[in-house]
Amino acid sequence: SQTIHQWPATLVQPVGSPLSLECTVEGTSNPNLYWYRQAAGRGLQLLFYSVGIGQISSEVPQNLSASRPQDRQFILSSKKLLLSDSGFYLCAWSKGSSYGYTFGSGTRLTVV
Amino acid sequence: LAKTTQPISMDSYEGQEVNITCSHNNIATNDYITWYQQFPSQGPRFIIQGYKTKVTNEVASLFIPADRKSSTLSLPRVSLSDTAVYYCLVNLGDTGRRALTFGSGTRLQVQP
Repeated sequence: SQTIHQWPATLVQPVGSPLSLECTVEGTSNPNLYWYRQAAGRGLQLLFYSVGIGQISSEVPQNLSASRPQDRQFILSSKKLLLSDSGFYLCAWSKGSSYGYTFGSGTRLTVV
Repeated sequence: LAKTTQPISMDSYEGQEVNITCSHNNIATNDYITWYQQFPSQGPRFIIQGYKTKVTNEVASLFIPADRKSSTLSLPRVSLSDTAVYYCLVNLGDTGRRALTFGSGTRLQVQP
């Protein structure tokens, strides 16, 4: 069966520090991968998605970047965090939008 | 992408049937309708997906009228554990590259 792993679960980082969140998927190949962010009490905002190694689409201009160095690995990064980067970050995978998404357990990031 | 409109919140009591309606007036011919459930501090979970008429699974039913401009998620005999945010989305019915956009969802509160 397919599983998705996301870590860490929580993270507190000072303003200006770098960020690296990792997401890996097991049990499938060539998945579509996604990074979402959710502010408190709000809906999910799509940040990046990838349909293959090295292929990244960015949905909104921001202080973040994403990379897909391997087929089942998706990384969210920042060189210098801002206070506004705080939120709940979710990684997801699918075989295509009509197949439904499976989300990871999320990372709660607090930038202080 | 088709825009969806759903109530911000709903209240119910244990044992009642809950119907959440979503409007998607500009749904495209190839779009499917998908509902997700999200508990606090967790990623959304796929509930049900349909294209037309009625779909039923072990969790819910989805009713879609002939014009497909709206859909209704029906939760039979809700319990306290059904308290969550429910998202309605429309998405392309292919393995394409487009990613799902989540709105603010409907916050369902089930009371004892």
